[in-house]
Amino acid sequence: EAGVAQSPRYKIIEKRQSVAFWCNPISGHATLYWYQQILGQGPKLLIQFQNNGVVDDSQLPKDRFSAERLKGVDSTLKIQPAKLEDSAVYLCASSPGGAWGGAKNIQYFGAGTRLSVL
Amino acid sequence: AQTVTQSQPEMSVQEAETVTLSCTYDTSENNYYLFWYKQPPSRQMILVIRQEAYKQQNATENRFSVNFQKAAKSFSLKISDSQLGDTAMYFCAFMKRVSNSGYALNFGKGTSLLVTP
Repeated sequence: EAGVAQSPRYKIIEKRQSVAFWCNPISGHATLYWYQQILGQGPKLLIQFQNNGVVDDSQLPKDRFSAERLKGVDSTLKIQPAKLEDSAVYLCASSPGGAWGGAKNIQYFGAGTRLSVL
Repeated sequence: AQTVTQSQPEMSVQEAETVTLSCTYDTSENNYYLFWYKQPPSRQMILVIRQEAYKQQNATENRFSVNFQKAAKSFSLKISDSQLGDTAMYFCAFMKRVSNSGYALNFGKGTSLLVTP
């Protein structure tokens, strides 16, 4: 079974530029998550999708961050314009979703995109 | 808001020895899950073990086991027979249900484990 795919692996941009990250979840997984992991910290949830609908985006800085999951499969996360403090690893995860118990809520992570904003 | 605290930023253990990583959390919820994830230098988070709060029996997965103390809100990870490949950051995470399909996962700051020969 293929895992969660993310691209690019690395990205270096200057502040005020735009950047986009792409995520392809595990086939059949209904729930998709984007996390931000700043150096030395644990991941922080930015946004969660259930199919193509947003479940939770309360921690997404909406003035500069946006995300979409068209057709309920792939997802893109965009930052426009980027700030120095956006330097972090952006992790995508997916889970089968749909039920609280069993293995439905286990999240499987991609390898992330490391963003450096200069 | 739920908080997860990992009080050991770094730990070291010799190969074949046993090590315990600590985690405490704060919540008023009664129904939740706890996780330990491993993050090697490749950056990919890998699930190590999962515990359901309503289950009193501690979860085990091969060399990995937990000591879950619900009343004390403590969830430690024990790694037996440590191997060089266990070197990684270990994150404790708390999950609660926020909607019919929404599960919020909060992570601690992590413990860096180094296994030495």
